Amino acid sequence: QKEVEQDPGPLSVPEGAIVSLNCTYSNSAFQYFMWYRQYSRKGPELLMYTYSSGNKEDGRFTAQVDKSSKYISLFIRDSQPSDSATYLCAMSLTGGGNKLTFGTGTQLKVEL
Amino acid sequence: NAGVTQTPKFQVLKTGQSMTLQCAQDMNHNSMYWYRQDPGMGLRLIYYSASEGTTDKGEVPNGYNVSRLNKREFSLRLESAAPSQTSVYFCASREAQGQGSAQYFGPGTRLLVL
Repeated sequence: QKEVEQDPGPLSVPEGAIVSLNCTYSNSAFQYFMWYRQYSRKGPELLMYTYSSGNKEDGRFTAQVDKSSKYISLFIRDSQPSDSATYLCAMSLTGGGNKLTFGTGTQLKVEL
Repeated sequence: NAGVTQTPKFQVLKTGQSMTLQCAQDMNHNSMYWYRQDPGMGLRLIYYSASEGTTDKGEVPNGYNVSRLNKREFSLRLESAAPSQTSVYFCASREAQGQGSAQYFGPGTRLLVL
């Protein structure tokens, strides 16, 4: 079993929809949680960064962490075709060089 | 700021050839990382450098070596390339002030080993 599980998709939604992307993890020691967006043939781009449990909002994006369930989510409101990309979740422990453990990514397509 | 830059963008090697992938960052970050990305496997850490002068193995270090040349630059060397090293390689950096700042990635190097 992988340490971080993420549904690979593809997930196809109409423009304007609310998108929910999720990851589950097995290591309860993870403290820092990130979402990256990766366009085709590009490097991952940091979208959201959260520490421990709770919600964080940035524009159309909301990151949610539930440490008790070992579950993190990224919500995208009013989705746009420009949101079409692969979304990677990542998490790390405290210290240890801040090595990140990644999910395999969910491919999202927002259609007109 | 250019952020994290990588050269070359694309490379084709024959089995047994050697090459060095270059990475530089202009954000004055302390920590730097090398990952490989393969379909269905996600991003896997090859080596990292927590600070200038130190390097450590990640999840998949076999077949690779690294050099932290200075605070800005972190190179990845393949001494004898194998087809299993065909992948997309990403370099990343992190400020490392405190415990949990996020990593910032370069655009990647696509490597094909024949």
